[in-house]
Amino acid sequence: AQKITQTQPGMFVQEKEAVTLDCTYDTSDQSYGLFWYKQPSSGEMIFLIYQGSYDEQNATEGRYSLNFQKARKSANLVISASQLGDSAMYFCAMREVDSWGKLQFGAGTQVVVTP
Amino acid sequence: DAGVTQSPTHLIKTRGQQVTLRCSPKSGHDTVSWYQQALGQGPQFIFQYYEEEERQRGNFPDRFSGHQFPNYSSELNVNALLLGDSALYLCATTGGSGANVLTFGAGSRLTVL
Repeated sequence: AQKITQTQPGMFVQEKEAVTLDCTYDTSDQSYGLFWYKQPSSGEMIFLIYQGSYDEQNATEGRYSLNFQKARKSANLVISASQLGDSAMYFCAMREVDSWGKLQFGAGTQVVVTP
Repeated sequence: DAGVTQSPTHLIKTRGQQVTLRCSPKSGHDTVSWYQQALGQGPQFIFQYYEEEERQRGNFPDRFSGHQFPNYSSELNVNALLLGDSALYLCATTGGSGANVLTFGAGSRLTVL
């Protein structure tokens, strides 16, 4: 069964605008972590933001924020003030309890930022 | 401070051959995980090494094997290559104070003809 679902295969966003990337997840664990990674065309996965299942506040890292709705099992990424360099694939991932190195990734969302 | 280093960056093999990919972890990291990313898909977990032992394994056949050395570097070996093994192979490391987050290398792109 798919653990991580990203329903938006691709998005266009204008420079300086905000964009929301959707992510829903499926787990029966009480303790888990949610991650967002960015993958430019170079291939390297770049860590953006992390949310623990017990964290009461939404995580923020600079222009990135994670809209965590635990009851809905969603962990949407919001990128504020988009820049041309934000053009990349974005992956949502989950780590379940006792799976230290194992992340389960979604299929990704391709973001293209236009001038 | 060097991040995760992978080699080679690109390689081409033919069906039935064997391949070895290498990963040097970020300084201070002692746990290495390997992922396979087929074109247009998210990465899939292959296995994880810690203290020179395989600790977790994903849904991959025994043709995929690995090793971790005392200096924490790691190798991924794939035997009897199939066309479907063509993918980007990513190494991710973790450990120390940042154990929560995996740091990825730029990957090794394998093409099987």
